[in-house]
Amino acid sequence: DSGVTQTPKHLITATGQRVTLRCSPRSGDLSVYWYQQSLDQGLQFLIQYYNGEERAKGNILERFSAQQFPDLHSELNLSSLELGDSALYFCASSVGQGTDPAYGYTFGSGTRLTVV
Amino acid sequence: GEDVEQSLFLSVREGDSSVINCTYTDSSSTYLYWYKQEPGAGLQLLTYIFSNMDMKQDQRLTVLLNKKDKHLSLRIADTQTGDSAIYFCAESIWGNKLTFGTGTQLKVEL
Repeated sequence: DSGVTQTPKHLITATGQRVTLRCSPRSGDLSVYWYQQSLDQGLQFLIQYYNGEERAKGNILERFSAQQFPDLHSELNLSSLELGDSALYFCASSVGQGTDPAYGYTFGSGTRLTVV
Repeated sequence: GEDVEQSLFLSVREGDSSVINCTYTDSSSTYLYWYKQEPGAGLQLLTYIFSNMDMKQDQRLTVLLNKKDKHLSLRIADTQTGDSAIYFCAESIWGNKLTFGTGTQLKVEL
């Protein structure tokens, strides 16, 4: 157990729908990062939050949004879902804002989203 | 630009050494990482190397970095069936995100 908790583990939904993925970081970690792993695009960085504020943005679609709450858990909202959004969505957390190994950048086990 | 390439598959016999290679294009990388992904599991950090190092050894794992050629490799000594997984190299450039390679599927045969 990495200490980073993602729920749900699996999600099946129809095109056009909206879903919310949840991530609870390791205790003490202030940063949360979201990644998407798909067959087409591989593993891609989506967005980062630090202590409630957005700090970095990657290849995140406009249909996707995220936020980090005061208790530091984060949610990734995916709307108007398309077949191509089917992927494994990972969350990672770290103490600081960077990927320095000293910050303990740790991944959760992911949420597998299937859009039918 | 950011582009990290790996070969897709590697098959080895149990007990042999495995060498997984990675090439990257951005010379600004600060850290380079190796992650392991087993079926149905998340990404597990195996090891990492700072960009000013040439080599790092950690038990059965040896990482070699050639900055001139932008080439990174991971050697697994005495490969076991439990090492079967997908291995990703990743680079960290401006500190907030990891850029991952395409992944190499390692199959260990008896």
